[in-house]
Parts: sequence; structure tokens; C-alpha cells
Amino acid sequence: GAGVSQSPRYKVAKRGQDVALRCDPISGHVSLFWYQQALGQGPEFLTYFQNEAQLDKSGLPSDRFFAERPEGSVSTLKIQRTQQEDSAVYLCASSLTVRVEAFFGQGTRLTVV
Amino acid sequence: QKEVEQDPGPLSVPEGAIVSLNCTYSNSAFQYFMWYRQYSRKGPELLMYTYSSGNKEDGRFTAQVDKSSKYISLFIRDSQPSDSATYLCAMSVLSGSARQLTFGSGTQLTVLP
Repeated sequence: GAGVSQSPRYKVAKRGQDVALRCDPISGHVSLFWYQQALGQGPEFLTYFQNEAQLDKSGLPSDRFFAERPEGSVSTLKIQRTQQEDSAVYLCASSLTVRVEAFFGQGTRLTVV
Repeated sequence: QKEVEQDPGPLSVPEGAIVSLNCTYSNSAFQYFMWYRQYSRKGPELLMYTYSSGNKEDGRFTAQVDKSSKYISLFIRDSQPSDSATYLCAMSVLSGSARQLTFGSGTQLTVLP
């Protein structure tokens, strides 16, 4: 497709459950980002990949959060032992490596009950 | 104090009005400035970006950056009901591999027909 694709769009998880969120970036985009957006707030940076290399994971809130991009295209954000405070929209964005402007997917809305 | 502060709104204007949206920032290393529009339950959509002080115009939208005051603005002329959305300012440092965006919390705009 022409845009960034994320799946699932909505995910309800029981507290303690593990979840995996998928991002399919725009073809040819080397840079890939994950952001977390709480209700009524702007997105907050989680982690950044350049191709398959995770160059910055400083925004990951705890060691329960893990992201990978093994072949430099599709990325997965995994959250282990979900907590209620993990409830948010998780946004994926991609950009050409030399450009800063990023294009976002529609996000995955995670609700932990 | 957050690195990027944005007028919280919500803002409600009549159709045809000129809208002014603003952000201030504290990190003088920010060099790249963007405005995103986010409709309800959608991902942010890039509207405009600039990397220098001054004005940039695109149709009904004008982005203004004043680096000396650490202040950016987005003006919308002849506002339309379809402009009703949350507007997010975003900024980035251009150095090394750093590409992540730092967002404001967003201003919710409603344009009344």
C-alpha cells in the first residue's frame, strides 16, 4: 500500500497478557519509529530503527517493551505482562533516511483491562 | 517543564475565520519544525514542515518560526468545518542518527459551519 499500515487497529488485553503490534512502513523508507500517544496528549517517542538496526530505544518505558525489525521492513512492538498504564494508542511512522518528516500509520489502540 | 508547550485549547471558531495555533519550545537544538493534523481515531498527518526562521505558505496554511523567541505558529485562513481536528506541533534535532520528533500536546480545533 501507499501508506504506513498498522495492525491490529484495536487490541484489548487482560492485565498480564503479552501483546504484539505490527507496523508495515512505506516501501523504501529506511527509518522507522514507534510512538505512544496517551489520551489527550501528543505522541511520545519510544524507539527508532534505521534499517534493521535499533539505534535509539531511550523512550521505551520499561524492559517489558521490546521492538524488532529483523529484515529492515516490517517491525513489531511487543509488550510483555501488560499493565493498565500501557493503555494508549501506539503509532508507527516511517521516513526516508535523509528526511526528517515522518509519515504515520493509523495506530493501534491498546486497552488493558 | 515539557520541552514543547502548546496552547491547550479547545478552540472553536466560525467558518471563514483566521485561526492561529502556537507552540513554544525550550531546546535551542531543535532545527526542524512540523505541524501535523490528527482527526479523531486517525494517525497524525503531516501538514507543513520548515527548518528555518520565517514564514512558509501552502494554500490556506502558513507556518511561522521565530527561533530567537523559540516560538512557532500555524495560521489557517478561511477556515472550513473540514479543518476541525487536533493540531500537533512537532520538532526535531538534526544530528547524527537522531530523527525522533518531540510533540506538543495538541490543540483541538472546531470550525463551526
